[in-house]
Amino acid sequence: SQQGEEDPQALSIQEGENATMNCSYKTSINNLQWYRQNSGRGLVHLILIRSNEREKHSGRLRVTLDTSKKSSSLLITASRAADTASYFCATGTIIQGAQKLVFGQGTRLTINP
Amino acid sequence: DSGVTQTPKHLITATGQRVTLRCSPRSGDLSVYWYQQSLDQGLQFLIQYYNGEERAKGNILERFSAQQFPDLHSELNLSSLELGDSALYFCASSPPDRLYGYTFGSGTRLTVV
Repeated sequence: SQQGEEDPQALSIQEGENATMNCSYKTSINNLQWYRQNSGRGLVHLILIRSNEREKHSGRLRVTLDTSKKSSSLLITASRAADTASYFCATGTIIQGAQKLVFGQGTRLTINP
Repeated sequence: DSGVTQTPKHLITATGQRVTLRCSPRSGDLSVYWYQQSLDQGLQFLIQYYNGEERAKGNILERFSAQQFPDLHSELNLSSLELGDSALYFCASSPPDRLYGYTFGSGTRLTVV
């Protein structure tokens, strides 16, 4: 079953604009991760934010986490055509010493030149 | 190249048959995860192995089984295949530290006809 729910399901913007994707989840987590998937390819890990962190940056990516609202957002600034992909949030929980990662359905992002 | 190797890349087989998907994790990673991705179900966690032992089970059917060998490569066996088993099957690996992101392979596209 899916834990994270991304919003919107699809997003289309012009190159150079910022893209914001949201993720909501239901249960307590240890961390939340964002991944990118180009069509038909493997997922690529973008960023991990721990449950005790509120914001994290990596290059043009900014991730926020609000554990009180059980939500996270991924902001991609100054978007490029190469950012066109599906973006997934994944909630990480530690069960019996092992991390279990559950993925949402993803947001399909299209950057128009 | 992510460092996680999956073979074969494509597989076409008939209903009722059995297939084996193979995964070699990134060097140094002890955990291997299998995921199934289909259009209607999204990315579903199947099973996790850590250093040769099963660690966690997800939505894995009884017709499916997996194992991790002493050299840490893993195999996912799918038997009595049905049309609905057609999907992308991903393997991912992670280091011993439980708060790392996963490294995904490029997947095996299984088509059951």
